[in-house]
Amino acid sequence: RKEVEQDPGPFNVPEGATVAFNCTYSNSASQSFFWYRQDCRKEPKLLMSVYSSGNEDGRFTAQLNRASQYISLLIRDSKLSDSATYLCVVNTGTGRRALTFGSGTRLQVQP
Amino acid sequence: DADVTQTPRNRITKTGKRIMLECSQTKGHDRMYWYRQDPGLGLRLIYYSFDVKDINKGEISDGYSVSRQAQAKFSLSLESAIPNQTALYFCATSPGPGETQYFGPGTRLLVL
Repeated sequence: RKEVEQDPGPFNVPEGATVAFNCTYSNSASQSFFWYRQDCRKEPKLLMSVYSSGNEDGRFTAQLNRASQYISLLIRDSKLSDSATYLCVVNTGTGRRALTFGSGTRLQVQP
Repeated sequence: DADVTQTPRNRITKTGKRIMLECSQTKGHDRMYWYRQDPGLGLRLIYYSFDVKDINKGEISDGYSVSRQAQAKFSLSLESAIPNQTALYFCATSPGPGETQYFGPGTRLLVL
């Protein structure tokens, strides 16, 4: 089983739609969680951290469910510029390990 | 100026050649990382370094070596390139354990 699993998509949605992505992680000792965004052929960039109580940044809402070991990202009022791949990222907390990246979920917002 | 830079941005080489990819950062971070990205496989960690004297293998280090010349510089070498090392390579930095990583623009490598 992969440490971090995501539905690869693509998710094709019209402008203005609400879309949600889920991500599951296997290590219950995981300590920190992030969503990154990656545009085609570009480097990943931090979209938002994910906090235990859930957090919101404009049209984006991230939630963490430790009991079920999944993270979600909700995008409201989708824009064409939201088209990208969204990477779920987990710090497993095993000593000095670096972050573990999911394979990403591709979103295509259509006019 | 970009905080994390990589050179070259694109490289075509032949099987058996030795090549070096370089990464520099101005963020003052101690931690630096090298990843490769392949379609459908996501980012995989090759090597990471927590300071100049602390270098560690990642999940796919075979066929690669690294050098941390200074806090700001971390180089990745392919001693004898092979076609399945064709990929997009990213360098990243972070200020501490489990914290956000900042990526360079990537090096696209093609091994013929």
